Amino acid sequence: TQTVSQSDAHVTVFEGDSVELRCNYSYGGSIYLSWYIQHHGRGLQFLLKYYSGNPVVQGVNGFEAEFSKSDSSFHLRKASVHWSDSAVYFCAVSRMDSNYQLIWGSGTKLIIKP
Amino acid sequence: EAAVTQSPRNKVAVTGGKVTLSCNQTNNHNNMYWYRQDTGHGLRLIHYSYGAGSTEKGDIPDGYKASRPSQENFSLILELATPSQTSVYFCASGPRLGANTGQLYFGEGSKLTVL
Repeated sequence: TQTVSQSDAHVTVFEGDSVELRCNYSYGGSIYLSWYIQHHGRGLQFLLKYYSGNPVVQGVNGFEAEFSKSDSSFHLRKASVHWSDSAVYFCAVSRMDSNYQLIWGSGTKLIIKP
Repeated sequence: EAAVTQSPRNKVAVTGGKVTLSCNQTNNHNNMYWYRQDTGHGLRLIHYSYGAGSTEKGDIPDGYKASRPSQENFSLILELATPSQTSVYFCASGPRLGANTGQLYFGEGSKLTVL
């Protein structure tokens, strides 16, 4: 069974701090990895994705993520968070051999303290 | 700007009643999806479609039907609604293959309460 694990249900930081949200997956084949953000009461919005090439990918609003094949990870980072980054973040894996259906992590709620 | 519009945004239904959730996309995407989101379960795929006239079962299709009459429209139908179907439902669209594979565009959600 393929899984996507976001081990932290909640992460709390102060505004201006750096943050890393963790995502690990269990699948050895060709995949796309992506991150989405969901503000309270809203739909999910795409942040960034990785398929191949440079393992560090840049997304919108200063977010970046780094792929590690050895760790089966795709962690999301931001150097300096803003209060507007408060949201739930979802990691997803899209498998090439299953019609690219996305498998979703359970989400990490990022709480920004003033 | 890619757009996915869901209606209604809020719906209260009675047990045993029929509910139809509608979704319209202006992205010209082949693929469309219906998910439900519940606390503790994250996003779960109900039905999806590869294009007009096609519907496929997702991970939790029981109690739901789907209809894709056109490229733009994808409906989720609850013929006999039950309280366990109280949830927030999200529609999404995405390209079939290509550079943007894995990038979905979501609607704002439809909150359904079944009494």
